Amino acid sequence: GAVVSQHPSRVICKSGTSVKIECRSLDFQATTMFWYRQFPKQSLMLMATSNEGSKATYEQGVEKDKFLINHASLTLSTLTVTSAHPEDSSFYICSAFYGTDTQYFGPGTRLTVL
Amino acid sequence: QKEVEQNSGPLSVPEGAIASLNCTYSDRGSQSFFWYRQYSGKSPELIMSIYSNGDKEDGRFTAQLNKASQYVSLLIRDSQPSDSATYLCAVNIGSGSARQLTFGSGTQLTVLP
Repeated sequence: GAVVSQHPSRVICKSGTSVKIECRSLDFQATTMFWYRQFPKQSLMLMATSNEGSKATYEQGVEKDKFLINHASLTLSTLTVTSAHPEDSSFYICSAFYGTDTQYFGPGTRLTVL
Repeated sequence: QKEVEQNSGPLSVPEGAIASLNCTYSDRGSQSFFWYRQYSGKSPELIMSIYSNGDKEDGRFTAQLNKASQYVSLLIRDSQPSDSATYLCAVNIGSGSARQLTFGSGTQLTVLP
């Protein structure tokens, strides 16, 4: 299947700092990417849809000023968690459409905010 | 009513048995259906996609789709301990730039050696 990478795989930061997570489609172009968050033993929660060249679409309840998404190219989307707090600690996963409707996931980024 | 529903389990089966995972969905217009496997601490991995009514087999996995009943299932034959994971049913909703996957809450499967 298609390969989606994420960087970094783990990050630990202090409260109040910002963290950027990169999501790349390695062997295909992805006009649409998605960002999910998953807390321990809970379901995936879609945070936002990232479309290349346009503003991201955020799900209800997700603060767009806190979770900044930039999809500047057909292979790269970034999620920046601004002024991170301990409650933002979670597993962040991106995915991308390959073809018309199949989504492949990146390996995820585990964020710990101290 | 949730858009995609799964039995949360946990489901336990002995090694070598058939594990049966079920999923129902609410949007009759849905056309694409997927099963993902998620190991603890890892991201979801696509294992099957199905688009037409009937069965689709891939190795030990068989996906079954019944659009009239709005029902999707996954059978795992000769279950192995390495199959122990959470299985997510996903349905594509929307179209064009608005398309996205809707996930069920997942079924936790444990295969007992």
